[in-house]
Amino acid sequence: DGGITQSPKYLFRKEGQNVTLSCEQNLNHDAMYWYRQDPGQGLRLIYYSQIVNDFQKGDIAEGYSVSREKKESFPLTVTSAQKNPTAFYLCASSIVAGSNYGYTFGSGTRLTVV
Amino acid sequence: EDKVVQSPLSLVVHEGDTVTLNCSYEVTNFRSLLWYKQEKKAPTFLFMLTSSGIEKKSGRLSSILDKKELFSILNITATQTGDSAIYLCAVGGSNYKLTFGKGTLLTVNP
Repeated sequence: DGGITQSPKYLFRKEGQNVTLSCEQNLNHDAMYWYRQDPGQGLRLIYYSQIVNDFQKGDIAEGYSVSREKKESFPLTVTSAQKNPTAFYLCASSIVAGSNYGYTFGSGTRLTVV
Repeated sequence: EDKVVQSPLSLVVHEGDTVTLNCSYEVTNFRSLLWYKQEKKAPTFLFMLTSSGIEKKSGRLSSILDKKELFSILNITATQTGDSAIYLCAVGGSNYKLTFGKGTLLTVNP
């Protein structure tokens, strides 16, 4: 079955550590996205990638980094510069960037700073 | 900057009630409006709307778009406890991305 796989489902990080969240899709979608979801805040865009080897900052990119070396993979690194990283992180993809048909979402990673 | 506002932010009803969720937007070069349901993790697609006045229906759920007044509503009739979820509205504009509202948390009590 085609879909998006995010791992791990739960992640704990100590302050000052970098962590990387995985996102893999087998839908052959060109575009991929990372969103952060906080209670009462809805989904906010962190980074997006329209094609392989290209990515752009979203609305809240500070303290995060990404790479897109393969079409299937779009990992997100939460760096120590991110002041409040505890949140639910959702990865999504679409056939092409800005597709009218919306996104397919992964099941998310819940990151907690301890 | 594109903007999507949903109301109410939370709503508690009893099984069997009918609910209406609202979504208003300001976006450059509107292309589509989408509704998603999020129960625990991944949002799941409900409807995509591109034209005014055409109602989309799926079982007890329906949605309609008004491009003149820049809003959409999502109706759920004869609510069930399984309808409890966050309902997200998102709008696609002239750029690459969807802009999401904050969501409406619906709780349906037995």
